[in-house]
Amino acid sequence: NAGVTQTPKFQVLKTGQSMTLQCAQDMNHEYMSWYRQDPGMGLRLIHYSVGAGITDQGEVPNGYNVSRSTTEDFPLRLLSAAPSQTSVYFCASRAPGRWTNYGYTFGSGTRLTVV
Amino acid sequence: AQSVTQLDSQVPVFEEAPVELRCNYSSSVSVYLFWYVQYPNQGLQLLLKYLSGSTLVESINGFEAEFNKSQTSFHLRKPSVHISDTAEYFCAVSDRGPKIQGAQKLVFGQGTRLTINP
Repeated sequence: NAGVTQTPKFQVLKTGQSMTLQCAQDMNHEYMSWYRQDPGMGLRLIHYSVGAGITDQGEVPNGYNVSRSTTEDFPLRLLSAAPSQTSVYFCASRAPGRWTNYGYTFGSGTRLTVV
Repeated sequence: AQSVTQLDSQVPVFEEAPVELRCNYSSSVSVYLFWYVQYPNQGLQLLLKYLSGSTLVESINGFEAEFNKSQTSFHLRKPSVHISDTAEYFCAVSDRGPKIQGAQKLVFGQGTRLTINP
């Protein structure tokens, strides 16, 4: 089925460990974003990309890296996990040009706990 | 830069009662406005959007929202709620800027948790 796929769905890390959250979309969307969701704070933008090879920082980029080598994939890397990064992470994508008719499509989320 | 304020973190209502979820935004430029819904343990789904034209927009499941430019608001309403409407609702805004890097980022409010009591 077409959409945004995030893996894993759940992850527990120890402080200091690194990991990569995967995000893939099969809709040929050029725009992709990573958000984190924390209680009472809504969704905050971490990093985003407007196309392969182009990324930029969002509101809360510290501690995270991204790359965009293909249109389909937009992985989020945690360099050295901290308890403050315990959150639910959402990947989202949308098409440019006609985006005004569709809005963003969101993945189902990755629930990350750092102990 | 844009910002969004959802005035109520939680709204409890009885089934079949009307509800209004409030959303105010701040922006120095013209914007697009959205409401997203998140059902328990799921991702976000687009509920409705205001892009241009009529200031009253409707969703397929009975929700409506009205864009009020003078009050910079985009409140969400439903005349009669159902148990299945229990969810968290997010208001979001994006500017109408050119399609260049950095433009048209989606900024979310803090969310309003709607609980329906039988």
